[in-house]
Amino acid sequence: NAGVMQNPRHLVRRRGQEARLRCSPMKGHSHVYWYRQLPEEGLKFMVYLQKENIIDESGMPKERFSAEFPKEGPSILRIQQVVRGDSAAYFCASSPGPTRHKETQYFGPGTRLLVL
Amino acid sequence: GQQLNQSPQSMFIQEGEDVSMNCTSSSIFNTWLWYKQEPGEGPVLLIALYKAGELTSNGRLTAQFGITRKDSFLNISASIPSDVGIYFCAGQGGNTGKLIFGQGTTLQVKP
Repeated sequence: NAGVMQNPRHLVRRRGQEARLRCSPMKGHSHVYWYRQLPEEGLKFMVYLQKENIIDESGMPKERFSAEFPKEGPSILRIQQVVRGDSAAYFCASSPGPTRHKETQYFGPGTRLLVL
Repeated sequence: GQQLNQSPQSMFIQEGEDVSMNCTSSSIFNTWLWYKQEPGEGPVLLIALYKAGELTSNGRLTAQFGITRKDSFLNISASIPSDVGIYFCAGQGGNTGKLIFGQGTTLQVKP
């Protein structure tokens, strides 16, 4: 996970508040993926973004969750009106972009969200 | 949807022993990746496999991409205490590059 930066590393929110998670991809990478990990489970895909575009959001909950990757600045995963079930580790991964059979993703350290 | 079954769920072994874990899928993948995760950290890429039948090594780690494209295994030889962690397989099959993860294999090594 060298190079992919996420902040904050830990985030505590009360029910109903908003959570903003930030991800800066590795240098030279223009593709960002967000995953969620519940305790004792594997990672689950949420959304795939390129600069200014959402490519695949099939894993995103229909409500309260949104993601963006602006032309300048980090990718943001936003959770509105958080509930206790949103408590999880959220990981960002980046890749340089799909070349033939070589779209390899490198992960950041994650943001641990705790909703009280 | 696509699912991966990873086994075993956990292993407790003696230092110096070899370890083997595998993943099977109900559908075909184009890429298999193996990651290791330690507490409080993100997954770290160990080995990437891009072609059916491919056998790749990284130090004491060896992984293979199954011929059917529906399975992969990871072997660790001569385990050491720092091998402790959770190992995940991940498959990539569609056009968007999203990864499907296995449930993880927790490895504990007794010195």
